[in-house]
Amino acid sequence: EAGVVQSPRYKIIEKKQPVAFWCNPISGHNTLYWYLQNLGQGPELLIRYENEEAVDDSQLPKDRFSAERLKGVDSTLKIQPAELGDSAVYLCASSYSGLAGGEQFFGPGTRLTVL
Amino acid sequence: GNSVTQMEGPVTLSEEAFLTINCTYTATGYPSLFWYVQYPGEGLQLLLKATKADDKGSNKGFEATYRKETTSFHLEKGSVQVSDSAVYFCALGAYTGANSKLTFGKGITLSVRP
Repeated sequence: EAGVVQSPRYKIIEKKQPVAFWCNPISGHNTLYWYLQNLGQGPELLIRYENEEAVDDSQLPKDRFSAERLKGVDSTLKIQPAELGDSAVYLCASSYSGLAGGEQFFGPGTRLTVL
Repeated sequence: GNSVTQMEGPVTLSEEAFLTINCTYTATGYPSLFWYVQYPGEGLQLLLKATKADDKGSNKGFEATYRKETTSFHLEKGSVQVSDSAVYFCALGAYTGANSKLTFGKGITLSVRP
């Protein structure tokens, strides 16, 4: 079974440029998460989807970040414009349900460097 | 709010040494507890979990017991191997209404030397 796929794995951009990350969850997983991981820190949730619906986006900085999950499968996370402080690893995860105790499967992440 | 505190790292051990990585948590309700591991160049993988008090999670020789009285979920292994070198994250999963997310500790880097 294929795991969570993310692309690109690495991205280097100039500040004020836009950037987008793509995630393909495990087949059949209805819940999709985007996490932000700063260097030396644990991941922090940005947004959670149940199918197509964003059910928890309270930690997403909506002035510059946006996300979508069309058809309840793949998802894209966008930053526009990027700032120096956005340099981090962006992780996508998926699970079969959003209930406590459900295992989340993580992708390898996209490492973003903003110059 | 929910939080997870892990012991400061990094940790360096010799092969076959005993490992303990401390993790304590603060949470409302009845959370599930997890240990995730991140090997170099790879994504986070679930190592073990426990969903209620006194449960013991175990996998690959690692164990952790959900202690509600001390709000702890310490990770242990009796004899570490070089291949255990990785970053270990303790995490808490709580379901409250529409919110279901993992709250992670900062992670700790383990290096095992031959």
